[in-house]
Amino acid sequence: AQSVTQLDSHVSVSEGTPVLLRCNYSSSYSPSLFWYVQHPNKGLQLLLKYTSAATLVKGINGFEAEFKKSETSFHLTKPSAHMSDAAEYFCVVSLIYNQGGKLIFGQGTELSVKP
Amino acid sequence: GAGVSQSPSNKVTEKGKDVELRCDPISGHTALYWYRQSLGQGLEFLIYFQGNSAPDKSGLPSDRFSAERTGGSVSTLTIQRTQQEDSAVYLCASSPNNYEQYFGPGTRLTVT
Repeated sequence: AQSVTQLDSHVSVSEGTPVLLRCNYSSSYSPSLFWYVQHPNKGLQLLLKYTSAATLVKGINGFEAEFKKSETSFHLTKPSAHMSDAAEYFCVVSLIYNQGGKLIFGQGTELSVKP
Repeated sequence: GAGVSQSPSNKVTEKGKDVELRCDPISGHTALYWYRQSLGQGLEFLIYFQGNSAPDKSGLPSDRFSAERTGGSVSTLTIQRTQQEDSAVYLCASSPNNYEQYFGPGTRLTVT
């Protein structure tokens, strides 16, 4: 069975400091992994995707994620937080191989950014 | 180009009434998904359409829930005899390749 676990339900950082949102996955085979962001009262926006072409994935708005098979992790990072980064972030695995690509979501991490 | 659109954006209904939620996917996307986002359950898969194939209904929580997709484009999610636990945000997504999914803004359903 495939699943993702987001290790923190809430993360608070100061503006200009690094962001780390942690995600561990469980998968029987090479996973398809994503990070989505949801700003208050807005829809889900794709931040980045892991395609197996490279273990370090760059996304929008300066976010990156590194796929580490040995640690079954796909943590999301950003060198310097901005106030506009405050949102909820979801680590997601896709059941791409035999279930049409339906997405399994982590429980979400709420990111707060203090001025 | 135009993204996924959903209507209505908000719906308040009385317990026991039926509701219909609409999703217009991105033109040309063959796959369409419905998800539900609620406080207690997080984000969960409901149903998936791919072209003309039979839909994957494995995520529907009860037989009060149904969905159809007409002409391989617009989809309607119907909830019959609504209950308070159906209150949630219903999200639709479409995909050109069963890989990247693009989400609509959602319909917030409140059952009173």
